[in-house]
Amino acid sequence: GAGVSQSPSNKVTEKGKDVELRCDPISGHTALYWYRQSLGQGLEFLIYFQGNSAPDKSGLPSDRFSAERTGGSVSTLTIQRTQQEDSAVYLCASSGGRNQPQHFGDGTRLSIL
Amino acid sequence: QKEVEQNSGPLSVPEGAIASLNCTYSDRGSQSFFWYRQYSGKSPELIMFIYSNGDKEDGRFTAQLNKASQYVSLLIRDSQPSDSATYLCAVNPTTGGGNKLTFGTGTQLKVEL
Repeated sequence: GAGVSQSPSNKVTEKGKDVELRCDPISGHTALYWYRQSLGQGLEFLIYFQGNSAPDKSGLPSDRFSAERTGGSVSTLTIQRTQQEDSAVYLCASSGGRNQPQHFGDGTRLSIL
Repeated sequence: QKEVEQNSGPLSVPEGAIASLNCTYSDRGSQSFFWYRQYSGKSPELIMFIYSNGDKEDGRFTAQLNKASQYVSLLIRDSQPSDSATYLCAVNPTTGGGNKLTFGTGTQLKVEL
């Protein structure tokens, strides 16, 4: 597909479990971003990858959150020992570079029981 | 003061009218500005982006940027019921580096028949 692809679309898990969320950016886009949107809230920046540079992790809320981007393409966001406050929609976006528009995937809706 | 501020609304306009959505930002050095539309339960969709002072038109949409006054607006002409959504203003600030966007919390637009 031509757009940003995220999987799974929905994830329900028990408190304390680890989860992995996947993002496949638009082909050729060098920048990849993760955001989180809680119910009725705005988008919260989590982490940003640009090419081979060190990622900007300034938005990660705790050390339970981590992300990696392999081969400059697919990214995985991992949340360890999930808590109920982690319940949100996790959105991935990609762009062609600095100041270029970001295009979002459909998101992963994460529910922690 | 929030970095990006929007009136949460709802803003109600009759079908066929012009809808005017406003956004102010705090970082005077911000360089790029984006408007996203988000339907309930869906991910943000890019509508417009603007980098220079003045107006930028695309179909029924016009983005207006005034860097001296630190505001950006979105005009929707001939509003349709399908335009009913939440509109998110996003700014690429100069502080912090990188290309992460700071989002406002969005304005809910309702176009009434």
